Amino acid sequence: KAGVTQTPRYLIKTRGQQVTLSCSPISGHRSVSWYQQTPGQGLQFLFEYFSETQRNKGNFPGRFSGRQFSNSRSEMNVSTLELGDSALYLCASSLEGSLNTEAFFGQGTRLTVV
Amino acid sequence: GDSVTQMEGPVTLSEEAFLTINCTYTATGYPSLFWYVQYPGEGLQLLLKATKADDKGSNKGFEATYRKETTSFHLEKGSVQVSDSAVYFCALSTSGTYKYIFGTGTRLKVLA
Repeated sequence: KAGVTQTPRYLIKTRGQQVTLSCSPISGHRSVSWYQQTPGQGLQFLFEYFSETQRNKGNFPGRFSGRQFSNSRSEMNVSTLELGDSALYLCASSLEGSLNTEAFFGQGTRLTVV
Repeated sequence: GDSVTQMEGPVTLSEEAFLTINCTYTATGYPSLFWYVQYPGEGLQLLLKATKADDKGSNKGFEATYRKETTSFHLEKGSVQVSDSAVYFCALSTSGTYKYIFGTGTRLKVLA
């Protein structure tokens, strides 16, 4: 079956702009979570959604937001981009987000802010 | 807060050498522990996991044992291959948080 699909794979934006990243989970998976990966900070949790509800949020400014649709697809939005937002953004999906279900990661969207 | 510390890389080994990547954790609850692997240009893949003390996770020749007394979850493989070259992440998750806390990753390079 198809894996987790993230679009676009690469993105270049200018400081001050906003960006929307998309994640299509594996069919049947209802939990979607997002992570930011940078060389300096490593992998950091952004947020997790289950059945359109945000169940947990990481320690990121309000410029970072997300949502999940009824078909479990998820988007994250970053407004007023800063140079430090340049990163690989990874999406993961699982059946229900519990410890008993494996999380599958997409290949990520590489965002470069110039 | 909860955290994961893993050994700095990169680690460079010859093919068939023994591998150990150290991982220790700090957690207030009773976490499950994981090793994920990231190949170049790819997302993370679950390598193995352990959900309670003394559990041993294993997969593809890799093993790790959940040691509560030393708060450790070291990754080992008896004989590495060139194809094992990747970045390895140790992680924990606690029930009800719906998130992973990752270590900084250890890059492994295996030479033929």
